[in-house]
Amino acid sequence: EEQLVDSGGGLVQPGGSLKLSCAASGFTFSTYSMSWVRQAPGKGLEWVSFVSSSGTTIYYADSVRGRFTISRDNAENSLYLQMNSLRPEDTAVYYCARTWRENTFDMWGPGTMVTVSS
Amino acid sequence: ETVLTQSPGTLSLSPGERATLSCRASQSVSSNYLAWYQQKPGQAPRFLIYATSIRATGIPDRFSGSGSGTEFTLTISRLAPEDFAVYYCQQYGSSQWTFGQGTKVEIK
Repeated sequence: EEQLVDSGGGLVQPGGSLKLSCAASGFTFSTYSMSWVRQAPGKGLEWVSFVSSSGTTIYYADSVRGRFTISRDNAENSLYLQMNSLRPEDTAVYYCARTWRENTFDMWGPGTMVTVSS
Repeated sequence: ETVLTQSPGTLSLSPGERATLSCRASQSVSSNYLAWYQQKPGQAPRFLIYATSIRATGIPDRFSGSGSGTEFTLTISRLAPEDFAVYYCQQYGSSQWTFGQGTKVEIK
C-alpha cells in the first residue's frame, strides 16, 4: 500500500526550530517530486515547499523562504522540512504530499501539528 | 502569484441534489494545471480531479470538472452523504502552487 507518514511536529517557542519528517512506503519514492503543504487552524491550504525527485530543484513560498529548508534522502525514502526562526503564524498542520506530474498533489500524509507559542 | 477565489463560501444542499462549485483565477491558468481536492474534518485532503476534468483513480463519476482560462467548475451531479466536505481548487504556475480558500458543502 502506498503511504506517507509525517512526523516531528510539536510545541516550539517563537524563534525556535523544528524538523519535520515524512516516511514514504509502497511506491518508488526516488521517482517522485515531493512537497510540504500546511493548514493553519480553521484555515485553507497553503503550499510551503517543493523538491524534485533528484533533489536538485527546490522552490519555497515567499512566506517561508530563508527560514525553511526542504530536503530528501532517497536511500531512506524520506522527506524533511527544517524550520528555523519560527513565528506564531507558522502554527499549522503540515502535510507532506507526493507531487505528481510536478503540478498536483496526489497523495498526502496524515499531517503533523506544529504550534509556535510562548 | 495567481490568486484563486472560490464561490460560494458555503453551499447548503440536500443529498441527491446537484452541487456546482466555482473557482476563479486572477490570471489565466493552463487547463493542465488546475486540480480539485476534498477535505473532511480532521483528515488530509483527498485528490479528486486533475487537468481540469480528469478524475483521479477511484473517484466516482458523479464528480466532474470543467472550465478554462480563469473560470473553472467542480460539479457533483447527485450529492451522496459522504460528499459533504470542504472542496479546494489548486493551480500551478511559475514554480508556485496556490489553493483557493475552499467551498464548504453542508447538509441543508
